Amino acid sequence: DTAVSQTPKYLVTQMGNDKSIKCEQNLGHDTMYWYKQDSKKFLKIMFSYNNKELIINETVPNRFSPKSPDKAHLNLHINSLELGDSAVYFCASSFLDRRYEQYFGPGTRLTVT
Amino acid sequence: DQQVKQNSPSLSVQEGRISILNCDYTNSMFDYFLWYKKYPAEGPTFLISISSIKDKNEDGRFTVFLNKSAKHLSLHIVPSQPGDSAVYFCAATQGGSEKLVFGKGTKLTVNP
Repeated sequence: DTAVSQTPKYLVTQMGNDKSIKCEQNLGHDTMYWYKQDSKKFLKIMFSYNNKELIINETVPNRFSPKSPDKAHLNLHINSLELGDSAVYFCASSFLDRRYEQYFGPGTRLTVT
Repeated sequence: DQQVKQNSPSLSVQEGRISILNCDYTNSMFDYFLWYKKYPAEGPTFLISISSIKDKNEDGRFTVFLNKSAKHLSLHIVPSQPGDSAVYFCAATQGGSEKLVFGKGTKLTVNP
């Protein structure tokens, strides 16, 4: 029973393409997140959604657009992919009143060639 | 600008001994600190946390110490076990925000 799942696990694509990463959580959490871990290994928050509403939107190019169809899902769409977008993207979720205890998915390794 | 720093990229200890992982921060507004553990090909897992009103929090073999004046925290694992081998991330936040600022991680290897 996977708590936070992401698909795909690996994604290799060419510059200029548009791609999506899906995330689902079955923990009943009300808050979901997207993080990016770059080549320097820093894990940085990109977006946070609470009950389908955007509450954190860090300085991220507007080519990145999160979409939350319901509380259990938060998908990440990336348009016009660039080489610098290559990274591992982690989805996470939590209860808002226990927001520090975030449960992470296994990550999606995106490689842009 | 690294607000959370883990200056040791790796640490190796013998099974049964103590592991001490260190973390420094620069933002004096941080008031809540966490440690996450990450195994290869998995996402980080929450381990233990501490509020800035405390200087110590213990959970089984894991203890986190906070020294606010030095802007330093450490994670002690006693006794260390081979299953503790993982990358440990220090994280901090402020004002109840869900925005966690992570360090680069320290890879711990516990040798049998």
